[in-house]
Amino acid sequence: GAVVSQHPSWVICKSGTSVKIECRSLDFQATTMFWYRQFPKQSLMLMATSNEGSKATYEQGVEKDKFLINHASLTLSTLTVTSAHPEDSSFYICSAPTGFKIDEQFFGPGTRLTVL
Amino acid sequence: GENVEQHPSTLSVQEGDSAVIKCTYSDSASNYFPWYKQELGKGPQLIIDIRSNVGEKKDQRIAVTLNKTAKHFSLHITETQPEDSAVYFCAARVQTGANNLFFGTGTRLTVIP
Repeated sequence: GAVVSQHPSWVICKSGTSVKIECRSLDFQATTMFWYRQFPKQSLMLMATSNEGSKATYEQGVEKDKFLINHASLTLSTLTVTSAHPEDSSFYICSAPTGFKIDEQFFGPGTRLTVL
Repeated sequence: GENVEQHPSTLSVQEGDSAVIKCTYSDSASNYFPWYKQELGKGPQLIIDIRSNVGEKKDQRIAVTLNKTAKHFSLHITETQPEDSAVYFCAARVQTGANNLFFGTGTRLTVIP
């Protein structure tokens, strides 16, 4: 299957700092990428849809100014958690449809964010 | 919006036995139903999917069935092995919506050697 990478795999930061998470499609181009958040032992919650060359679409209840998304190229989307607080600690996962089979999505390995 | 329910939340089976996980969905416009396996600390991995024009799909020990009338679909794993132990998520995509998926709540499968 297609490969989606994320960096970093884990990060620990102090409260009030900002953290950037990268999502890359390694062997295909992705005009759209999705960002999910997953709390321990819970399901994936869609946060936003990242669109190459245009603004991201955020799900209801997700703060746009808190979670900044940039999709500057066809292989890279970034999620920046601004002024992070302990409640932002979570597992963040991105995914991308390959376009070959319109429905298939491949997920990155996730980034574990811990805010102290 | 779409609502996907998944049962059971936990499932333990003896190695070699079969495991069945069931999901229901609410939006009749949904037309794509993937299943993902997630191991601890990793992202979900697509293991099988089915589209609404098909009733059943099989890939070696894994099969998925879809009942559009009843709006439910199931994952069947036969001859389970310890390495099948993981959390499994079902999902549904609405045909007329964006390409985002609505996930079930997950099933933690434990295969006992």
